[in-house]
Amino acid sequence: KQEVTQIPAALSVPEGENLVLNCSFTDSAIYNLQWFRQDPGKGLTSLLLIQSSQREQTSGRLNASLDKSSGRSTLYIAASQPGDSATYLCAGLGPSRFGNEKLTFGTGTRLTIIP
Amino acid sequence: DADVTQTPRNRITKTGKRIMLECSQTKGHDRMYWYRQDPGLGLRLIYYSFDVKDINKGEISDGYSVSRQAQAKFSLSLESAIPNQTALYFCATSDLTGGAETQYFGPGTRLLVL
Repeated sequence: KQEVTQIPAALSVPEGENLVLNCSFTDSAIYNLQWFRQDPGKGLTSLLLIQSSQREQTSGRLNASLDKSSGRSTLYIAASQPGDSATYLCAGLGPSRFGNEKLTFGTGTRLTIIP
Repeated sequence: DADVTQTPRNRITKTGKRIMLECSQTKGHDRMYWYRQDPGLGLRLIYYSFDVKDINKGEISDGYSVSRQAQAKFSLSLESAIPNQTALYFCATSDLTGGAETQYFGPGTRLLVL
């Protein structure tokens, strides 16, 4: 059974700093890994998706990496801004016991950027 | 306009009541999902549907049922609501592009069962 862990649960950093969010998964048989952002009272917004054959994806100040062998993914945020404050979730898409796919989410890291 | 919409956005109900949460999408996706989010537990899959005639249970389907009325509509029902079904519920759709699946989420429905 896939388990996805995100540590720490909460993180506060001063504005302008670079930071890394961590995601670990137990089953390396994933098809892809996604990073989402969730703002209070709102739904999830997909940030980056890394296919199992890829090592990383970049979008603006965001860079996500994937290492299937070690069961880890990281989300790197450069030059953090107060608007980056949100909860960040990672999710792995893999085979389910029903014979198709299942998206398994981590519990998220709540990020606060201090002006 | 939002591609994935959920109604209602907030709902308060009493134990034992039957309620329905609705999800509509304009993305033309075949795959639709219902998740619930609880603090400290992350998102968990309740039911999912890969097309109108396909319904599959997720990891926490007990106490819930779904109906895929059309490609664009996927409803979640709580037959007899109980307090531990208090949670934030998300509907999602997905497509497969280039062999990769991307999920698109609605804004969520916050449900409180008294």
